[in-house]
Amino acid sequence: DARVTQTPRHKVTEMGQEVTMRCQPILGHNTVFWYRQTMMQGLELLAYFRNRAPLDDSGMPKDRFSAEMPDATLATLKIQPSEPRDSAVYFCASAKGDRGKETQYFGPGTRLLVL
Amino acid sequence: GEDVEQSLFLSVREGDSSVINCTYTDSSSTYLYWYKQEPGAGLQLLTYIFSNMDMKQDQRLTVLLNKKDKHLSLRIADTQTGDSAIYFCAESSSLGTGGFKTIFGAGTRLFVKA
Repeated sequence: DARVTQTPRHKVTEMGQEVTMRCQPILGHNTVFWYRQTMMQGLELLAYFRNRAPLDDSGMPKDRFSAEMPDATLATLKIQPSEPRDSAVYFCASAKGDRGKETQYFGPGTRLLVL
Repeated sequence: GEDVEQSLFLSVREGDSSVINCTYTDSSSTYLYWYKQEPGAGLQLLTYIFSNMDMKQDQRLTVLLNKKDKHLSLRIADTQTGDSAIYFCAESSSLGTGGFKTIFGAGTRLFVKA
């Protein structure tokens, strides 16, 4: 049963620290998304990659956030330095990108709390 | 820009039908989706409909699409307490460059009262 995995599942850190979240997309999926979910803002698209190339990161605060795909099996989202307002659940999703039918498969999320 | 809108809350009694509505603005949408998010979990695809269809049924779920009005609905028959979750509407469309984009609504929180 193929699924998207994310690590860590939970992270508590202090303001100013670096946070790195990792995602392993489903094998064979060529599109990876990073979302942030909060009660106030709902689900926000931060960035997405196709064939490891970043296509859109307009939803991401550029000064502190960065997203990369070092290889086809790993996507990372880094926050440096972290701030309390970054506290949220961060989801990774992957898709096969099949002619517009973009069913996204979501990971379980990383719950981040910045104190 | 394109937008997807949903009501934020819906409350129903166990055994009743639930109808969750969604409107979207992109007339070039190719696929429309319903995702379900249970507490503490990620979103899971419930069902989808291609834009040239007007109805799709899958067990207790019925999806209706009114393309003229850009209105999508999800009907859950015989709603159970286990259906309590957040339901997200989403639409995807081709960008014409071989790529595509998907836009999610804010989600409708369904409460099922026993």
